[in-house]
Amino acid sequence: LAKTTQPISMDSYEGQEVNITCSHNNIATNDYITWYQQFPSQGPRFIIQGYKTKVTNEVASLFIPADRKSSTLSLPRVSLSDTAVYYCLVGGGAAGNKLTFGGGTRVLVKP
Amino acid sequence: NAGVMQNPRHLVRRRGQEARLRCSPMKGHSHVYWYRQLPEEGLKFMVYLQKENIIDESGMPKERFSAEFPKEGPSILRIQQVVRGDSAAYFCASSPIRDEDTQYFGPGTRLTVL
Repeated sequence: LAKTTQPISMDSYEGQEVNITCSHNNIATNDYITWYQQFPSQGPRFIIQGYKTKVTNEVASLFIPADRKSSTLSLPRVSLSDTAVYYCLVGGGAAGNKLTFGGGTRVLVKP
Repeated sequence: NAGVMQNPRHLVRRRGQEARLRCSPMKGHSHVYWYRQLPEEGLKFMVYLQKENIIDESGMPKERFSAEFPKEGPSILRIQQVVRGDSAAYFCASSPIRDEDTQYFGPGTRLTVL
C-alpha cells in the first residue's frame, strides 16, 4: 500500500481557506485518493475521493496533479467546527481494500 | 438510511474477561471492516469480512481475537482474556460492492481494561 506523508498540524482562522497537501510518491495505477475527517471520540467521516484532476463536493475540493504523486484537500471558509484530524489515504480500486491510516493532520481553527 | 451502528459505545472489562463488540453495517452494505485506534494514533486495520466469510485477517493478533459476520445479525469482534494493552477504540466500517470502495465508519466502541 502506498505510504502517505502529510503535515502533522495546521492552524487557521474562521473564514479562511485551508489547504492540506499529502504526498504519495508510490501511488499505484489503480489507487484512489481518499480523505477522511475525524473528530475526538468519533469515527472517521468520509470527505472526498478522487482519482485524477479535480473533484468538488459540498464540503471540500480535491486537487490531484497529472503525476498523482500528491494531492491537496481544500476546505473553503472553515469554521470552528472544522477543527479535527484529517487523514489522507491511497488505495482501493476494488472492494475489500484495507485502509491504511497515517498520523493525519490536526487542523485547529481559531476564532 | 441509518449509518453504521456499533454497540456498546463504552465497555469496561477486567483483565481476563471477554469483550464482545457488535457492528451493524449500513443497509445494503455487504463488506465489514474492523480497525483499532490507540490514543493519538491513526486507525490500524484488523480484519475484513463479508457475510459468513473472513476475507482478510492480516491485522488481527494471532491469539485471543476473533471476528465473525454471520448470515443474520451484526458482525462481532470478540476479544478473549482481555489485557490492559487491549484498551483502545475499536471502529467498524462498511462498504457496498463498488470499485471506489468508500468505507463508512461507525462511532466506535471504547474498550477500557482495568
